[in-house]
Amino acid sequence: DADVTQTPRNRITKTGKRIMLECSQTKGHDRMYWYRQDPGLGLRLIYYSFDVKDINKGEISDGYSVSRQAQAKFSLSLESAIPNQTALYFCATSVQGTYNEQFFGPGTRLTVL
Amino acid sequence: ELKVEQNPLFLSMQEGKNYTIYCNYSTTSDRLYWYRQDPGKSLESLFVLLSNGAVKQEGRLMASLDTKARLSTLHITAAVHDLSATYFCAVDESGGYQKVTFGIGTKLQVIP
Repeated sequence: DADVTQTPRNRITKTGKRIMLECSQTKGHDRMYWYRQDPGLGLRLIYYSFDVKDINKGEISDGYSVSRQAQAKFSLSLESAIPNQTALYFCATSVQGTYNEQFFGPGTRLTVL
Repeated sequence: ELKVEQNPLFLSMQEGKNYTIYCNYSTTSDRLYWYRQDPGKSLESLFVLLSNGAVKQEGRLMASLDTKARLSTLHITAAVHDLSATYFCAVDESGGYQKVTFGIGTKLQVIP
């Protein structure tokens, strides 16, 4: 089984709808992140969480919210989806230590019509 | 604000050739990562470079870090088609807080 899972993997929705993307991990990592990827823009950080009670905005948090329900679960919500939120969304995890590298989930492709 | 620049952004090369991808960043950091992404797939960690002068090698790929020049390189030796992918560098701007900033990626196409 994958260490970092994301659901759904693909979603098509309409403008104005509320959408939740979910991320779960079995790696036992305390830190979790949400990124979006757009062609030509690389990955941009939306929100990050260093533990259940520590949630921080990234560089593009407007229009998004998050919930850290447990150490292993981190959800991203679009309260009222708009077409320019169409993108590939990745969840990632890491643990404090020497290397601190991030491990990514498989991604969720979201299309807002 | 930390900026991470990669060049080239697109690279088409023939099998068997050597080439280097460059990653420049704008502020002090001693922690840099290289990732690979295949089309439609997630990101896979390739290298973690933790200090000035660090060099890591895996197969035909070798990464190095010069913190004084704020430069990392990813060198490809005798490229093969399987190396075709997009390569990202990422820089940890705060020395351990793991809030990394990614470059926009270098798309590598290796032609048989």
